[in-house]
Amino acid sequence: GQNIDQPTEMTATEGAIVQINCTYQTSGFNGLFWYQQHAGEAPTFLSYNVLDGLEEKGRFSSFLSRSKGYSYLLLKELQMKDSASYLCAVRVAGFQKLVFGTGTRLLVSP
Amino acid sequence: DAGITQSPRHKVTETGTPVTLRCHQTENHRYMYWYRQDPGHGLRLIHYSYGVKDTDKGEVSDGYSVSRSKTEDFLLTLESATSSQTSVYFCAISDFGTDNYGYTFGSGTRLTVV
Repeated sequence: GQNIDQPTEMTATEGAIVQINCTYQTSGFNGLFWYQQHAGEAPTFLSYNVLDGLEEKGRFSSFLSRSKGYSYLLLKELQMKDSASYLCAVRVAGFQKLVFGTGTRLLVSP
Repeated sequence: DAGITQSPRHKVTETGTPVTLRCHQTENHRYMYWYRQDPGHGLRLIHYSYGVKDTDKGEVSDGYSVSRSKTEDFLLTLESATSSQTSVYFCAISDFGTDNYGYTFGSGTRLTVV
C-alpha cells in the first residue's frame, strides 16, 4: 500500500522560515513532488526531487532522503501570499501517477 | 492560455441522476487523470487514462466511469449521483516521459449532490 504523512496545519510569521515535512511508505519510488494550493484554486507545481539532496528554487527548497522515506519543503522569507496548502506527492515506480498526502495548511500571520 | 480546461466549474444535481464532467487539454499529453478532493482525505485518484480508449481504475473508482475517445478529452461520469460524491473534482494531465513537472491541473469542478 501507499502511505504519505504530512502535518495537517502549521502557522508561521511573515519573514520567518518554515519547514514542512513529509514521510512516505510506498511500494517503489520514482520521484517526489511538492505542490502549492491556494484556497479554491488548483494545485500548482513547486518542486521535484528524485535523487537525495536539496533542490533550491528561489525562496523555496525541497530536500529528499530516499533511505529514510523523508522529504521537506523549506520556505524562506515568508510572505502573506504563502498562506496556502502544500501537498506532498509520490510517483510510484512503474506507474505514471501520483499518490498524494492529505496536505499541510500553512497560515502566515503578520 | 490554459492548456487544460474543465467544465462545468460548478454543478448542483439531485441524488440518482447521472452527471458527466468534461476535461479538455490542448497539450497533447498522453496521460489524463480524475481526482476528487475532500477535507481530511486530500486528492484521491478516481480513474486515469494512458491513451485513447486506454483507462484504468484508481483507489476510489466505485460509482464512476470514464471515457477517452480522443487524446484531448477525458470524461468522468457519475452513473447515479449520491451525496457522498459531493466533492471538488480535479482533472490533471502529465507527460512524465518528457518533463519533471508531474501534473498540470485543471481549475476544478465543484459538484454538489442534493
